[in-house]
Amino acid sequence: AQSVTQLGSHVSVSEGALVLLRCNYSSSVPPYLFWYVQYPNQGLQLLLKYTSAATLVKGINGFEAEFKKSETSFHLTKPSAHMSDAAEYFCAVRISGTYKYIFGTGTRLKVLA
Amino acid sequence: EPEVTQTPSHQVTQMGQEVILRCVPISNHLYFYWYRQILGQKVEFLVSFYNNEISEKSEIFDDQFSVERPDGSNFTLKIRSTKLEDSAMYFCASGDSGANNEQFFGPGTRLTVL
Repeated sequence: AQSVTQLGSHVSVSEGALVLLRCNYSSSVPPYLFWYVQYPNQGLQLLLKYTSAATLVKGINGFEAEFKKSETSFHLTKPSAHMSDAAEYFCAVRISGTYKYIFGTGTRLKVLA
Repeated sequence: EPEVTQTPSHQVTQMGQEVILRCVPISNHLYFYWYRQILGQKVEFLVSFYNNEISEKSEIFDDQFSVERPDGSNFTLKIRSTKLEDSAMYFCASGDSGANNEQFFGPGTRLTVL
């Protein structure tokens, strides 16, 4: 069955430090991959998506992610964390031929001053 | 920028009561979805809807759930007889094409069943 694993339910970084949020997927066919951000009491906002074009995907707010088929990974990075990046981040996969997204359990990012 | 809207933002109901959660998808979108997020857990797919019929549903979406597009703008999720375990945040999403893959999510309705 298809699944998404996010390592680390909580990640803390200092302001200005590198952000790395991990996502691994399992799929027997090429997936479509997404990262969403959820701020407190808000909905899900798309950060970026991979749809089999470039393997390095740039998103909003300075985030980017690299699709690595050999590692079945789609980790989210940002070179320099900002206080406003504090939120919950969800990795999601959509398997070709289906409509549903499968979400990971989320990673809560805390940015320390 | 067009966005998906949901009403109400918070719904409190008694166990056994029927609730209807409402969504207004982005106007030119043809694919509609409901997801739920139980507090502290991951977002789970419930159902997708296209061309006035359900195209896919999860095992969560049992007979007590139904969806409807009653007019050209609204998309609703009905829970016939709510249970305590239905308490969750319910997200509506819409997309302009299944092949486009991107789903735009609304802000959610928090359902509390007492």
